[in-house]
Amino acid sequence: DVKVTQSSRYLVKRTGEKVFLECVQDMDHENMFWYRQDPGLGLRLIYFSYDVKMKEKGDIPEGYSVSREKKERFSLILESASTNQTSMYLCASSPFTGELFFGEGSRLTVL
Amino acid sequence: DAKTTQPPSMDCAEGRAANLPCNHSTISGNEYVYWYRQIHSQGPQYIIHGLKNNETNEMASLIITEDRKSSTLILPHATLRDTAVYYCIVRVGSNAGNMLTFGGGTRLMVKP
Repeated sequence: DVKVTQSSRYLVKRTGEKVFLECVQDMDHENMFWYRQDPGLGLRLIYFSYDVKMKEKGDIPEGYSVSREKKERFSLILESASTNQTSMYLCASSPFTGELFFGEGSRLTVL
Repeated sequence: DAKTTQPPSMDCAEGRAANLPCNHSTISGNEYVYWYRQIHSQGPQYIIHGLKNNETNEMASLIITEDRKSSTLILPHATLRDTAVYYCIVRVGSNAGNMLTFGGGTRLMVKP
């Protein structure tokens, strides 16, 4: 079965802290994505990567960075967390055929 | 990516077929139709996708009209666990660089 694993299901951080969200997929997919989901706003793409060490900005990259050092791992970094980054973060991977496989999500609260 | 239009909500009786429509009148020839669903507090789940032929898998069937301007996702025997928001997306299938945007979707409520 397809498996996308996100490192933390729930996190609580303070304003200004650095936050790492990690995602691992076991399907050998080239493409990986980070979304955030907020009530009434749907899923918004933050960053995506189509190869190791490659990254592309999505719709809302400000305040975020990413790292893809290995094919199976895609990390989202909040350098200095702010309260408006409180959200559900979703990682996904995709084969060349385009269907997305999502993780369970990481719910981040920034106080 | 082509824009899609879905009804905001639908009800279905348990055990009956749920037919979820999607309009995508501006779809291009190389764009696929994908369906996902999201059960409350979980990550979205891939259901099915197709280009122009009808498709069926263990979860659902996808019917695409001949002109490809609309499609219907069919859950043949809906259960309470199928209550979720269903998203229809059209996009070029191959390779990334394609950003995928989820719209509002259809909130399906399966009732006993």
